[in-house]
Amino acid sequence: KQEVTQIPAALSVPEGENLVLNCSFTDSAIYNLQWFRQDPGKGLTSLLLIQSSQREQTSGRLNASLDKSSGRSTLYIAASQPGDSATYLCAVIEVDSNYQLIWGAGTKLIIKP
Amino acid sequence: NAGVTQTPKFRILKIGQSMTLQCTQDMNHNYMYWYRQDPGMGLKLIYYSVGAGITDKGEVPNGYNVSRSTTEDFPLRLELAAPSQTSVYFCASRQETQYFGPGTRLLVL
Repeated sequence: KQEVTQIPAALSVPEGENLVLNCSFTDSAIYNLQWFRQDPGKGLTSLLLIQSSQREQTSGRLNASLDKSSGRSTLYIAASQPGDSATYLCAVIEVDSNYQLIWGAGTKLIIKP
Repeated sequence: NAGVTQTPKFRILKIGQSMTLQCTQDMNHNYMYWYRQDPGMGLKLIYYSVGAGITDKGEVPNGYNVSRSTTEDFPLRLELAAPSQTSVYFCASRQETQYFGPGTRLLVL
């Protein structure tokens, strides 16, 4: 059974730092991996989607990498800002799963001004 | 273009009561999903639909029912509310990625 783990569960850093969030999954037979952002009391917003054949995706200050063979993905945030404070979740879609997402529990990120 | 909308935003139920959580999307997506999110946990899939008239169980379907009579609507029904169903419920629809509604916070007392 696929399991998705995110470490750390919480992270607090000063503004301006570069940081890395980690996501690991147990079964490499995935269709894609996605990173989402969740703000308190709100829904989830898709940040980056990496297809299984890709190694990384970039959007602005965000860069996500995927190493399928080792079951790992990282989300790199450059020059962090207080507005980046949120919970970041990763999720994978397994092959032949009707596009069901399997979720990690998230990393709660606090950027201190 | 409203995306995915959910009603109500918040509800308190007594044990044994029933209710329907509404979800509507205006993006003409075939795939729709219902998740629950418990504090400090990831999302768990309750039910999903690959198109009008087609639904299937997810990881945690017990205590819930769904229907999909139109492409736009995917309501989630709780028949006999239990305290274990206290959670935040998210509806989503999918094109290449999933688009989420704002969630319904449900408290069962």
